Amino acid sequence: AQRVTQPEKLLSVFKGAPVELKCNYSYSGSPELFWYVQYSRQRLQLLLRHISRESIKGFTADLNKGETSFHLKKPFAQEEDSAMYYCALVRGSTLGRLYFGRGTQLTVWP
Amino acid sequence: NAGVTQTPKFQVLKTGQSMTLQCAQDMNHNSMYWYRQDPGMGLRLIYYSASEGTTDKGEVPNGYNVSRLNKREFSLRLESAAPSQTSVYFCAGQARDRGSYEQYFGPGTRLTVT
Repeated sequence: AQRVTQPEKLLSVFKGAPVELKCNYSYSGSPELFWYVQYSRQRLQLLLRHISRESIKGFTADLNKGETSFHLKKPFAQEEDSAMYYCALVRGSTLGRLYFGRGTQLTVWP
Repeated sequence: NAGVTQTPKFQVLKTGQSMTLQCAQDMNHNSMYWYRQDPGMGLRLIYYSASEGTTDKGEVPNGYNVSRLNKREFSLRLESAAPSQTSVYFCAGQARDRGSYEQYFGPGTRLTVT
């Protein structure tokens, strides 16, 4: 069963435009949600986690338990934001095991 | 402090050949993971090890075996490679930090099975 859904495989925006990468999850308990990013020719790395409620590189994400969503947002996209973004979930009972969505490839055009 | 390292970076195998992908971490992680990354499929967990001496199956374990040799090393073995195992393989170690988890990934091994 797909626990994390990222509906967009590809997303393109122009530099300076707002960007929103969607993530929905299915889990009835209290999940921990994350966004991981993979820049071209680099390893996957953590971008942000919902528990920290922080902004990283201008990105924010709010956990909406009612809509079971954890969308990633940035008000003004930059070319260096072009990357593959993965939403991931940890279920409370699974000792940190991550369940990844299928990823969204973001391209920011100049 | 190298973090998580993987060898080899690239490998081409013929169907039926075997090989072992190596992963090592120097970050004192208890938990380690092996994923495969395929276009349109995201990252799928193959096997993981919650602690030294334990291993468990993930989503796609068929055709693979693992060994948690010690706390630092976690290897993935393909006994008889198949074209369906053509993929990029990532190893990761996990830390618990600030009340949450973070996985640290290796650079990946790009495997082609012909």
